[in-house]
Amino acid sequence: SSELTQDPAVSVALGQTVRITCQGDSLRGYYASWYQQKPGQAPVLVIYGRNNRPSGIPDRFSGSSSGSTASLTITGAQAEDEADYYCNSRDSSGIIWVFGGGTKLSVL
Amino acid sequence: EVKLVQSGAEVKKPGESLRISCQGSGYSFTTYMIVWVRQMPGKGLEWMGRIDPSDSYTYYSPSFQGHVTISVDKSLSTAYLHWSSLKASDTAMYYCTRGSGDPWGQGTLVTVSS
Repeated sequence: SSELTQDPAVSVALGQTVRITCQGDSLRGYYASWYQQKPGQAPVLVIYGRNNRPSGIPDRFSGSSSGSTASLTITGAQAEDEADYYCNSRDSSGIIWVFGGGTKLSVL
Repeated sequence: EVKLVQSGAEVKKPGESLRISCQGSGYSFTTYMIVWVRQMPGKGLEWMGRIDPSDSYTYYSPSFQGHVTISVDKSLSTAYLHWSSLKASDTAMYYCTRGSGDPWGQGTLVTVSS
């Protein structure tokens, strides 16, 4: 079982804002990274650190954290944002990393 | 361009050994950890372990410790994931990525079936 917990599925209307959350005690001390994975493709890093986007990631993607919860927010969701999203951070030992179970985002 | 290129798909029988590879290019290979990630069919991502190419120091997730071995050849800028005795439950897509999380290899599909 994962030490990071995500909702299995979330939906958003086209152009609206959606927040995907990741809960875990280790997030009180470590930032989460977020990955987007589309069917048949390798994951892509979309957010890392406090709120950093790799080159090429649209600025509609943002990250935040409060207590034991990390969040990925998509402001103005597009059809191409429909994908699985995974959070990733250290576990309670601080040595091993874990992924959340993933959230399937549907854009309606 | 920073790239990680993985070896091709494999079909093996239970009990056989296997080594798959992940070659980095476009950056100083010893500067970043290499992480291996498993994705079983229709399932989520699982962090398996990582290696520091500069000194070959490894960390494994408890779920994978003792079942796989991660190694590296600095001279070839290549990391490896090795099984000495495959099980049907090892059937999955395996990805490598840098410790920074970017980029990822294209994945290696491993199928273990009798």
